[in-house]
Amino acid sequence: EAQVTQNPRYLITVTGKKLTVTCSQNMNHEYMSWYRQDPGLGLRQIYYSMNVEVTDKGDVPEGYKVSRKEKRNFPLILESPSPNQTSLYFCASSSASGTSTDTQYFGPGTRLTVL
Amino acid sequence: AQSVSQHNHHVILSEAASLELGCNYSYGGTVNLFWYVQYPGQHLQLLLKYFSGDPLVKGIKGFEAEFIKSKFSFNLRKPSVQWSDTAEYFCAVKEGGSYIPTFGRGTSLIVHP
Repeated sequence: EAQVTQNPRYLITVTGKKLTVTCSQNMNHEYMSWYRQDPGLGLRQIYYSMNVEVTDKGDVPEGYKVSRKEKRNFPLILESPSPNQTSLYFCASSSASGTSTDTQYFGPGTRLTVL
Repeated sequence: AQSVSQHNHHVILSEAASLELGCNYSYGGTVNLFWYVQYPGQHLQLLLKYFSGDPLVKGIKGFEAEFIKSKFSFNLRKPSVQWSDTAEYFCAVKEGGSYIPTFGRGTSLIVHP
């Protein structure tokens, strides 16, 4: 089954404690991205990756890091989380063929609370 | 930069009412257009998309959307909503040749039984 998986689904942590949210897709997609969703602000892109070892900043990259060492994985790293990073995070992937198959598939979301 | 506007932030309807959610974008060139739905507690799922051809696009669950190029719009419609349509709806736009979509802020739809 084609899917994007994220772990953990729920996480409560404290300010300054480094954490990683994993994202994996099994569709051999080139393009992957991370979004955060906040009430009234919709989806905002944090980082995206066009392919292995190719990453770039989205609209709200401050406080986040990513890596793309393998095509299927795109982890989101918070080196020193702060309360304003409390949010719902979604990973997404799509092919990069430039055709109508370029639909984004979203992961189930990770609800992060930083105390 | 591309921008996507969803003018209705909150919509409340009774069952069987008709629905139209607005979506406008700013880019003047070729675009690919999407509507996604997010049911409570779930992730985003694709409702429908437009890449080319017939500007009236039919999606899942009885939804449709019409691309009006002259108005830079891609409004979502459903003739008769159900309680199960209660969800958040997101419009997204990609410039032709780009892989990076821009999302609107979303519209929260509540359907009363």
